[in-house]
Amino acid sequence: ETGVTQTPRHLVMGMTNKKSLKCEQHLGHNAMYWYKQSAKKPLELMFVYNFKEQTENNSVPSRFSPECPNSSHLFLHLHTLQPEDSALYLCASSQDLTASYEQYFGPGTRLTVT
Amino acid sequence: GEDVEQSLFLSVREGDSSVINCTYTDSSSTYLYWYKQEPGAGLQLLTYIFSNMDMKQDQRLTVLLNKKDKHLSLRIADTQTGDSAIYFCAEAFTGGGNKLTFGTGTQLKVEL
Repeated sequence: ETGVTQTPRHLVMGMTNKKSLKCEQHLGHNAMYWYKQSAKKPLELMFVYNFKEQTENNSVPSRFSPECPNSSHLFLHLHTLQPEDSALYLCASSQDLTASYEQYFGPGTRLTVT
Repeated sequence: GEDVEQSLFLSVREGDSSVINCTYTDSSSTYLYWYKQEPGAGLQLLTYIFSNMDMKQDQRLTVLLNKKDKHLSLRIADTQTGDSAIYFCAEAFTGGGNKLTFGTGTQLKVEL
């Protein structure tokens, strides 16, 4: 059991829609991450939050907007996406940003942009 | 820049050993990881090795690290059908804010 949940598991949206992805961790961690996983490409780190503060934005387009209201919850707000944004979006958490701490991953949200 | 490379596919017979290889370019890497992803699931950490180690064994898993060649491998002994998954290697370095750089993943298929 990962302790990191993501909803929805699957999402189909049009390019003009606005939707949000939700991640919740029950592990008492302080750092949370969003990754994008596209077919045959390495996982791409998108955003990192530590103690609710954003510490990393990996040159992500502004049509992706993260929100971290507390250390247990992380959202990714989506608007005017492009078909190439279709991917598996993974959330992860770790105790903090120390490199030795394991990142625990959620099951992901499979996003399809039509 | 950082780059982690893996072959995309590996097929083995049940009971054989599997060896999944990875090369990385960042010589400052401190931690090297192996993650497993089963269909429809997120990534699960299998094992990791510190850069000052050459080998780590954990039950059926053996990790070998060749720092000179920047080569990491994962050996799975007595491979079972339940080992079929995608395996990712990843690197991180001290002071890097726990940012992982992942490889493309190797799809392991175990045949009967």
